Amino acid sequence: QVQLQESGPGLVKPSETLSLTCTVSGGSISSHFWNWIRQPPGKGLEWIGYIYYSGGTNYSPSLKSRVTISVDTSKKQFSLKLNSVTAADTAVYYCARGGLLTMLGEGLDSWGQGTLVTVSS
Amino acid sequence: DIQMTQSPSSLSASVGDRVTITCRASQSIGTYLNWYQQKPGKAPKLLIYKASSLQSGVPSRFSGSGSGTDFTLTISSLQPEDFATYYCQQSYSIPLTFGGGTKVEIK
Repeated sequence: QVQLQESGPGLVKPSETLSLTCTVSGGSISSHFWNWIRQPPGKGLEWIGYIYYSGGTNYSPSLKSRVTISVDTSKKQFSLKLNSVTAADTAVYYCARGGLLTMLGEGLDSWGQGTLVTVSS
Repeated sequence: DIQMTQSPSSLSASVGDRVTITCRASQSIGTYLNWYQQKPGKAPKLLIYKASSLQSGVPSRFSGSGSGTDFTLTISSLQPEDFATYYCQQSYSIPLTFGGGTKVEIK
């Protein structure tokens, strides 16, 4: 059964870049769409974007100017970079697996445990 | 973006109750609607995909229905472990969007 694990700094200063990595185990990264989702404390879920194992990406329009998602299939990892962060970016960040051939019509069937990133000086 | 609206935002129910949560999309999404359960401090868990398909390992007391713009998640007999927050999510178009959540609390 595939497992996902987020890693990265828990504290980022305003205006700097948030960087997180998701490591995939128990399954192949060379298939499926790999997603990032975030959840501000006490609030709902917001989709950030996805990457296909071959490198194709799609981002939320509201974050597109600040987000980059990349994949390293040799390490079975995919990563999130969010630049110019503010306090509004404070959230639990989750990585999740999407569909095999498409994200459309598919659910997010495996999730990491989530990692809290706080933006503060 | 497609807006997803859930109702109610919270409800109180007793063990054994039948619980229904609704989700409305701002435009037709066919059956591209997923439901998740989230417990405090945990990641969401996929319960239902494509409106009515039960994810592997999910108890059969959970069911989903609907198409177009109106969808329903039903728990036929609420169990103690079902007290959680439930989210709908559309996968019809990018960006993927979630409903605001429905918190199911103990009565």
